[in-house]
Amino acid sequence: AQKITQTQPGMFVQEKEAVTLDCTYDTSDPSYGLFWYKQPSSGEMIFLIYQGSYDQQNATEGRYSLNFQKARKSANLVISASQLGDSAMYFCAMRDARIKAAGNKLTFGGGTRVLVKP
Amino acid sequence: DTEVTQTPKHLVMGMTNKKSLKCEQHMGHRAMYWYKQKAKKPPELMFVYSYEKLSINESVPSRFSPECPNSSLLNLHLHALQPEDSALYLCASSQVGRLNTEAFFGQGTRLTVV
Repeated sequence: AQKITQTQPGMFVQEKEAVTLDCTYDTSDPSYGLFWYKQPSSGEMIFLIYQGSYDQQNATEGRYSLNFQKARKSANLVISASQLGDSAMYFCAMRDARIKAAGNKLTFGGGTRVLVKP
Repeated sequence: DTEVTQTPKHLVMGMTNKKSLKCEQHMGHRAMYWYKQKAKKPPELMFVYSYEKLSINESVPSRFSPECPNSSLLNLHLHALQPEDSALYLCASSQVGRLNTEAFFGQGTRLTVV
């Protein structure tokens, strides 16, 4: 069974600084995908970045990057140059290779609340 | 169009009421999902539809009844709910069978059962 762990329930970060959000996962499948989502207070889940288990390079999307350490089963999100609008809940999620059998199931970690201070 | 639209945004219902939540997408996605999210918790999967057929029911009580009338629409029918069912209900959609495809979420329906 899959398990996603986010050990930081909440974090403060100063505006314009970088912040790293931790995510560790456990799966027996060699093929899987890892996702990060942002959830502002409005409720909508916003997709940020994706990392595949066979991707050779760490994913980057604008100010978001992934520090993917496959052997350690970690996929930490780095947000550079934090902005006030980055204040939100952040969720790490996983989909494994049995996507058809599992119904394309996406499993979420417990989330990390980030508050950016001016 | 990369939107998932959920209606209503807010709903207050009594324990004897019957109501429905609606979700619509026009991205051609053939997988659609219902998630339930309590405050300060991650989304919990309730149901998954693949090609308009129910593929996953995560042991959800029968007072929640999903329906997928066509490839663009997903409903969640509610009947005889309990106060503990109050939560944010999120609908999502994605392509089927691709590992790297993200799920697109709607803004959710904030449900309060009184």
